[in-house]
Amino acid sequence: DAGVTQSPTHLIKTRGQHVTLRCSPISGHKSVSWYQQVLGQGPQFIFQYYEKEERGRGNFPDRFSARQFPNYSSELNVNALLLGDSALYLCASSRLAGGDTQYFGPGTRLTVL
Amino acid sequence: GIQVEQSPPDLILQEGANSTLRCNFSDSVNNLQWFHQNPWGQLINLFYIPSGTKQNGRLSATTVATERYSLLYISSSQTTDSGVYFCAVGTSRTGTASKLTFGTGTRLQVTL
Repeated sequence: DAGVTQSPTHLIKTRGQHVTLRCSPISGHKSVSWYQQVLGQGPQFIFQYYEKEERGRGNFPDRFSARQFPNYSSELNVNALLLGDSALYLCASSRLAGGDTQYFGPGTRLTVL
Repeated sequence: GIQVEQSPPDLILQEGANSTLRCNFSDSVNNLQWFHQNPWGQLINLFYIPSGTKQNGRLSATTVATERYSLLYISSSQTTDSGVYFCAVGTSRTGTASKLTFGTGTRLQVTL
């Protein structure tokens, strides 16, 4: 079975622009979570979606939004990009909403100039 | 929120040596995972271990939930073990079902 896939792999944007990142979970997994990892730190939780409903939101501004589609894939959108949004964005999927193994994708490396 | 501390922050080993990485957490958890992040950024799941002991080849892990710590053992280390090891914990009590809180990581370098 394929693992978690993310696209694009790398992305370069300028300040003020908008970006959309995509994630496809492992087949059969209904939960998708998004994390941001800046250089030298551990990943920080952004959102979790389960069965197309938002189940959790981390301490991120409203410029960050996400959604989950009927096929359980997900998009993360970031508006009005700032230099500080430069990071590795990771998507994780799991079968259950909580208390379950999370499997991470390879990430999208976003650079904001 | 829950606090996760990992030690040591950095570790340099010669190939073949053994090591123990520690993760302390500040509250009860229903999810604890150990990950290895390779140089390309991929987080590889090593163990899902909210309690008890598990082994997978040269790696093993133990979580003592009542004392709020977990240990990752690496035996006969190889250069391919190099990278950053993260402990991540989760709790559903806040209503956030699958939020993982990551520690600051242990950076391991295995030399020949």
